[in-house]
Amino acid sequence: AQSVTQLGSHVSVSEGALVLLRCNYSSSVPPYLFWYVQYPNQGLQLLLKYTSAATLVKGINGFEAEFKKSETSFHLTKPSAHMSDAAEYFCAVSEVLDTGRRALTFGSGTRLQVQP
Amino acid sequence: DTAVSQTPKYLVTQMGNDKSIKCEQNLGHDTMYWYKQDSKKFLKIMFSYNNKELIINETVPNRFSPKSPDKAHLNLHINSLELGDSAVYFCASSPPRKTGYNTGYTFGSGTRLTVV
Repeated sequence: AQSVTQLGSHVSVSEGALVLLRCNYSSSVPPYLFWYVQYPNQGLQLLLKYTSAATLVKGINGFEAEFKKSETSFHLTKPSAHMSDAAEYFCAVSEVLDTGRRALTFGSGTRLQVQP
Repeated sequence: DTAVSQTPKYLVTQMGNDKSIKCEQNLGHDTMYWYKQDSKKFLKIMFSYNNKELIINETVPNRFSPKSPDKAHLNLHINSLELGDSAVYFCASSPPRKTGYNTGYTFGSGTRLTVV
């Protein structure tokens, strides 16, 4: 089974600074990986996804993530943080459950705070 | 608007009551899901239906019963509500399984259930 680990439940950056949110996965096969964002009192919105086409994936709102097989990582970055980026970010992997069915399994989430 | 819509958005009820949450998607997706997000923001899959067939049932108490009258609707009925059922419940949908593995899910905006 695969799983995802998000390092750091809270990340605080200054407006304009680099955003780096960490995600590591455990898998012996190429995974399907995703980043979702959840704004307060809202649902989850897909930011970007890795599907083995390219290791550097660009998403919405200026975010991108790089798949590094050697490090089993899929960290999310944004060169310059904006106040509107403050939200909860979830890394997810499409994995086969014990029942043999496939579903998205989420990491524990990272809350991004952006300081003015 | 094409979307996954859930009703109600907020639900406050007393212990022991029975309640339902409704979900509808107009994206033409074949598969729908229920996820539970606890107070620590952890997301866990509960159920999944594919074309009205239950395909995932993840160790959820029998008090929870999903129903899918057609592939565009997935409702969640909860009997004898308990304090621990308080959470945000998200509905989601995805395209047919073969293509859905790498497309991610579309989520509704959630139903915040509070049991008092």
